[in-house]
Amino acid sequence: RKEVEQDPGPFNVPEGATVAFNCTYSNSASQSFFWYRQDCRKEPKLLMSVYSSGNEDGRFTAQLNRASQYISLLIRDSKLSDSATYLCVVIIGSSNTGKLIFGQGTTLQVKP
Amino acid sequence: ETGVTQSPTHLIKTRGQQVTLRCSSQSGHNTVSWYQQALGQGPQFIFQYYREEENGRGNFPPRFSGLQFPNYSSELNVNALELDDSALYLCASSAKTSGVETQYFGPGTRLLVL
Repeated sequence: RKEVEQDPGPFNVPEGATVAFNCTYSNSASQSFFWYRQDCRKEPKLLMSVYSSGNEDGRFTAQLNRASQYISLLIRDSKLSDSATYLCVVIIGSSNTGKLIFGQGTTLQVKP
Repeated sequence: ETGVTQSPTHLIKTRGQQVTLRCSSQSGHNTVSWYQQALGQGPQFIFQYYREEENGRGNFPPRFSGLQFPNYSSELNVNALELDDSALYLCASSAKTSGVETQYFGPGTRLLVL
């Protein structure tokens, strides 16, 4: 079983749609959680951290459920520029010395 | 914009050869990590260096080795290249943002092994 699992998609949605990505992780010792965004042929870039209390940044909302070992990302009012691969990331150990464990990534295509 | 640079951007090698990839991060970023990303997959952790010492290693064979230097640059060396080593190699250095240690990625080196 992979340490971090995501539905690879692709998710094809129209502009303005709301889309949700899910991610599960297997190691209960996981300490920190993030969503990264990766554009085609570019490096991953931090989108947002994920906290148990949930956090929101504009149209993006991230949630963590430690009991179910489940992370989610909700994108509201999708824009064409949201088209990318979204990577779920877990850190085991402290965030400054732990290794990042990436999911396979979920591809989003927003259509006009 | 992340202050992390990598060289070269692209590289073509043949099976059995050796390769050295380079990464330069910002002053004060004491931790550097290297990742391998095959096509269609998420990045896989290779190893991490903290203050010039290896500080953790993923499931990669010993022919993958690294170095970190006092000037915040680092190297990834791969010996006896295999076809499956073809991938995007990413380095990431750590910095604290809003109290949270965050890893910032360089643009990567695309390696093709023929």
